[in-house]
Amino acid sequence: DVKVTQSSRYLVKRTGEKVFLECVQDMDHENMFWYRQDPGLGLRLIYFSYDVKMKEKGDIPEGYSVSREKKERFSLILESASTNQTSMYLCASSLGGRADIQYFGAGTRLSVL
Amino acid sequence: RKEVEQDPGPFNVPEGATVAFNCTYSNSASQSFFWYRQDCRKEPKLLMSVYSSGNEDGRFTAQLNRASQYISLLIRDSKLSDSATYLCVVNNQAGTALIFGKGTTLSVSS
Repeated sequence: DVKVTQSSRYLVKRTGEKVFLECVQDMDHENMFWYRQDPGLGLRLIYFSYDVKMKEKGDIPEGYSVSREKKERFSLILESASTNQTSMYLCASSLGGRADIQYFGAGTRLSVL
Repeated sequence: RKEVEQDPGPFNVPEGATVAFNCTYSNSASQSFFWYRQDCRKEPKLLMSVYSSGNEDGRFTAQLNRASQYISLLIRDSKLSDSATYLCVVNNQAGTALIFGKGTTLSVSS
């Protein structure tokens, strides 16, 4: 079974804080993704990575950065959290191409106050 | 046309009913099609891939109509546990990412 683990289920942060969301997958997948999901807006791609140290912007990268130093780990960084970044953040991984089946972590519900 | 479009519902059906969801997509060159299921406050999980010839998995049947650019999901003999949001997923024009629909909500009642 593919396992994608996100480090926190719930986080509460203050405006202006630097926030790290961590994601680890145990299936040696090449591709990893970060999405946010908001009511009425669906899943929106923030960043993805197709190899160690390689990354590409998704549809809404502003205010976020990512890091992939090891194949199994993909981190999402909010440099200076803002209230409009309150959301559900979902990490995913896929084995084949970027349009292959994606497996999701349980999500991190982030509240920025 | 939006890249992936679904009727948001909700669809409210009794146990044992048959229900069908449709999804339209804008990229005629799309090659990857999936249905995901997402329970309330949980992550999306793959329900089934959708193949050109159509495919069935127990009570679930998926169909692809390339000419009209839509995919469908049919659920027979609905169970209470089928209550969830169903996401239609298609690859983007460049084939470099998946596009998720906003989902159709199903509520099955006894």
